[in-house]
Amino acid sequence: GNSVTQMEGPVTLSEEAFLTINCTYTATGYPSLFWYVQYPGEGLQLLLKATKADDKGSNKGFEATYRKETTSFHLEKGSVQVSDSAVYFCALSATSSNYQLIWGAGTKLIIKP
Amino acid sequence: GAGVSQSPSNKVTEKGKDVELRCDPISGHTALYWYRQSLGQGLEFLIYFQGNSAPDKSGLPSDRFSAERTGGSVSTLTIQRTQQEDSAVYLCASSLGLAGLVDEQYFGPGTRLTVT
Repeated sequence: GNSVTQMEGPVTLSEEAFLTINCTYTATGYPSLFWYVQYPGEGLQLLLKATKADDKGSNKGFEATYRKETTSFHLEKGSVQVSDSAVYFCALSATSSNYQLIWGAGTKLIIKP
Repeated sequence: GAGVSQSPSNKVTEKGKDVELRCDPISGHTALYWYRQSLGQGLEFLIYFQGNSAPDKSGLPSDRFSAERTGGSVSTLTIQRTQQEDSAVYLCASSLGLAGLVDEQYFGPGTRLTVT
């Protein structure tokens, strides 16, 4: 079946550090891939997405590239800020049911000043 | 414009009681989704509505869970005879409902349910 695996958190970094949060997936066909973010006390928000292989999603300085050969969609940011502290979720939408999102467990990111 | 709203934001109930959770989607969104988020885990899909019909109820954990949607808008998730394992944050999302396309889901703030 379809599944998403994320690196376990929490991930603790200093401000201006480079961030990578790993995400790999298992899916049949050609899923769409997403990163959602949940800031403290707020609802889930779409951060970025990619709908086909080699696509790069980007937003707010974050990037992720859809790598079909490695079935990965790792989230990266070159210089994190305290305001990036949140929980990040990787998700996929399978082609067989494009409405149902399959979620990773989430990775809590803590940025220290 | 207004986003997805959910009520109540917090609900504490005794084991065995019934609860109703409400979701108001974004106006004009035909698709509506319910998810459950347990502590330290990802989101678990519960049910999906397109308009007032629910073509996929496969995620409902048991027959104690039911959901309805009226007027293509408000949805209610009902849990009967609540159990402690039902304690979680229940999230609602809505989307435009565009068939065949990647359809961005917009999430509400959730209802935190605690069963004592």
